[in-house]
Parts: sequence; C-alpha cells; structure tokens
Amino acid sequence: DAGITQSPRYKITETGRQVTLMCHQTWSHSYMFWYRQDLGHGLRLIYYSAAADITDKGEVPDGYVVSRSKTENFPLTLESATRSQTSVYFCASEREGLGELFFGEGSRLTVL
Amino acid sequence: AQRVTQPEKLLSVFKGAPVELKCNYSYSGSPELFWYVQYSRQRLQLLLRHISRESIKGFTADLNKGETSFHLKKPFAQEEDSAMYYCALIVNNNDMRFGAGTRLTVKP
Repeated sequence: DAGITQSPRYKITETGRQVTLMCHQTWSHSYMFWYRQDLGHGLRLIYYSAAADITDKGEVPDGYVVSRSKTENFPLTLESATRSQTSVYFCASEREGLGELFFGEGSRLTVL
Repeated sequence: AQRVTQPEKLLSVFKGAPVELKCNYSYSGSPELFWYVQYSRQRLQLLLRHISRESIKGFTADLNKGETSFHLKKPFAQEEDSAMYYCALIVNNNDMRFGAGTRLTVKP
C-alpha cells in the first residue's frame, strides 16, 4: 500500500539498550520528520530531513540519531534508551512547500 | 522563543453549540499556521492552513497578527468533531512546531 509506515508499532525495551524505529514512505516526498508525542507537550520535533543525506536537529534531538541514505527511509535510533524516552513516536513526510504533513500511525515505545 | 500555545487541554461543548479552540503563537516573521486533527483511531491529519483561507468540515481559522492568534472556530459543533486538535507553526524552513493540543469533546 502507498503511504507512510512505521515499525515496530509497539516496543518495550530496557534502559541502556539501542532501539531503532523505522519509517518508510512511498510518495518520494523530500521532507521527512520524527516527532515525539507526550502528554502536556503535544508533538515535539526530534529531527527532520530535507532530502537523502541531509538531516537537521529539531526541538528535542538529544539522545537520538537519524540517517537518510535513501529518500524513502528515515530511521530513528535511540543509542542508549532512557526512561524519559518512553513516548509515542510519529514519523511524517511532506509534499514540498505545502506545509501538509502526512503522518504514520505512530510507534509506542516503553523504556523500562 | 518561537512557539505555539494552546491554553486549553480539554474543551467540552454540546452538539449544535459554537466552538472555539484557541491558539496563540510567538514568531518574529510572517507566520505560516496550520490546524491538524487526530480523530480516534486515525492518523494525525491536516485540517486547514491559514494561507488557503478555506473552510473545512465547517471549521474556519483567522490569523490575527495583532493578537498573534489563530483560533479555530465552528458555529455548530457535531459529535463527529470530537478529536484532538493541534495548532502548528512553521518556524524555519520546514521545521513545524506544534502546540500541546486541545481535546474537544462534543456531547450529544
């Protein structure tokens, strides 16, 4: 199916472990984003990417790493997970210049 | 600081009543503002953008630069409007910042 997909949808891990959340889009949108959603904070931008091999920090990048070797994929890695990174993570892509983000279904991550 | 503030976390109205979801922004340039909505069990999606001056599902939002506001309004709320609403602002290139969100409940 065309669109934007995230995996895994649910993940439980332990403090200190590395976790990678995957994001794949089939539209060839240039821009892709990672947000985290927390109660009381809404969505906060972690990282975004304007194209393959171009990434920029967002509002809350600490503790996260991203890469974009291909236009369609934008994985988010927590190199050493902490409890404060327990959240719902949303990936999104954007049709360039229109400001309309298309969101994935979200990945719920619990760090014990 | 460039940010979006939604002062109400929860808002409850009766069906048929007017509804207004508040959004205030802080931005030094000319703002590009949006409203996104997340219905139960659905993905977050764009509702409307201020540059389009459009009405979607009966909702409108007017940019008031003097008050730095972009409130979302609907004259007669429907039960299917119950959802989480986020106001968003582009702060730099495609860096879009969201408010904390307002959960709207429309009671029968």
